[in-house]
Amino acid sequence: DQQVKQNSPSLSVQEGRISILNCDYTNSMFDYFLWYKKYPAEGPTFLISISSIKDKNEDGRFTVFLNKSAKHLSLHIVPSQPGDSAVYFCAASGVGTGANNLFFGTGTRLTVIP
Amino acid sequence: DVKVTQSSRYLVKRTGEKVFLECVQDMDHENMFWYRQDPGLGLRLIYFSYDVKMKEKGDIPEGYSVSREKKERFSLILESASTNQTSMYLCASSTRQQALFGPGTRLTVL
Repeated sequence: DQQVKQNSPSLSVQEGRISILNCDYTNSMFDYFLWYKKYPAEGPTFLISISSIKDKNEDGRFTVFLNKSAKHLSLHIVPSQPGDSAVYFCAASGVGTGANNLFFGTGTRLTVIP
Repeated sequence: DVKVTQSSRYLVKRTGEKVFLECVQDMDHENMFWYRQDPGLGLRLIYFSYDVKMKEKGDIPEGYSVSREKKERFSLILESASTNQTSMYLCASSTRQQALFGPGTRLTVL
């Protein structure tokens, strides 16, 4: 059963506008969340993370919001740029969820239209 | 510069061949993972290892085996490759709060 879900397989946004990528999780033991970005033919690269003690973390154009009561997190990219076009994976981990494993969502393909 | 390396970026094999995918990390991480990525299915965990000579099945271990004889090296083995194992294979090593991925191996089984 998928413990981390990204229900939107794809998203298209105009350059300069905001991109919002969503992620839901089911396991209340998760206490650390990450976003990865993947270009074709490359491995995923770490983008931004958030601990469950926070509800927001910002790094330049990227902001991650965490709503623990809703078991939901989102990644905001403002302003979106064509180079942001990639597949974005959210991931979660938590003490007791199994061998320090990171649980990944299925990914959302973001296309930023120039 | 810390990194995870994979032995091949692209590989073409025939059905029934034995295939070895090698992964090496230089961060002294205890945890290493093998994933495959397929369109619409995201990253699916095949096997992971949390120590030398230790291995655990992930979500889709069928048709695969692994070997971890040294801490820095984690190998994925396809005993008899099949066409449904055509995929992008990604190795990662991690702490609980960070996973570093290799560049991936695009395997095509004909």
